[in-house]
Amino acid sequence: ILNVEQSPQSLHVQEGDSTNFTCSFPSSNFYALHWYRWETAKSPEALFVMTLNGDEKKKGRISATLNTKEGYSYLYIKGSQPEDSATYLCAFLSNFGNEKLTFGTGTRLTIIP
Amino acid sequence: DTGVSQDPRHKITKRGQNVTFRCDPISEHNRLYWYRQTLGQGPEFLTYFQNEAQLEKSRLLSDRFSAERPKGSFSTLEIQRTEQGDSAMYLCASSRKDGGAGGYTFGSGTRLTVV
Repeated sequence: ILNVEQSPQSLHVQEGDSTNFTCSFPSSNFYALHWYRWETAKSPEALFVMTLNGDEKKKGRISATLNTKEGYSYLYIKGSQPEDSATYLCAFLSNFGNEKLTFGTGTRLTIIP
Repeated sequence: DTGVSQDPRHKITKRGQNVTFRCDPISEHNRLYWYRQTLGQGPEFLTYFQNEAQLEKSRLLSDRFSAERPKGSFSTLEIQRTEQGDSAMYLCASSRKDGGAGGYTFGSGTRLTVV
């Protein structure tokens, strides 16, 4: 059984502050790590797909890093805005070739205006 | 292309009834996935198709669940003799062949409530 954990489970951040959260995953049989943002009543939106150890990706105010040797990824949000309120999910894909994403339980982020 | 569509958005059914959900993927995507999310959990893999072939099926899926993707286009997920434990959000996603490296496009899901 593959274990993907996210912390914290929930987070309240003041508008304008920066924040980060963690995804930990198995350090063996790594193929890819996905980050999704899921707003209420919408579909999960792909933020990043990370495949290489040491990868760092950025999309506007959001960035992510990847350490496959120790099995963790960080997601950073700089200067939080109310529209950043969402659940952030990470998902691990092994190299078993079965295309089966294993998701964490998510970090629910609420931005306080 | 408007993305991945799922129908219906919400379904309330009585225990013991059969339900069917539909997913229309992005037209050029040949892979289609079904996931289920229950309260407090992350989405869990159910099954996936490459074109019309069902390549993987989770042990989570009992014999009451069946999925099809005729002609490699839209897909249906049927649950027979629904139970209260089937209440969940059912998500569909699609991708090009190497979705693992390219990312998946999800629909907004079908929320099933079994009463």
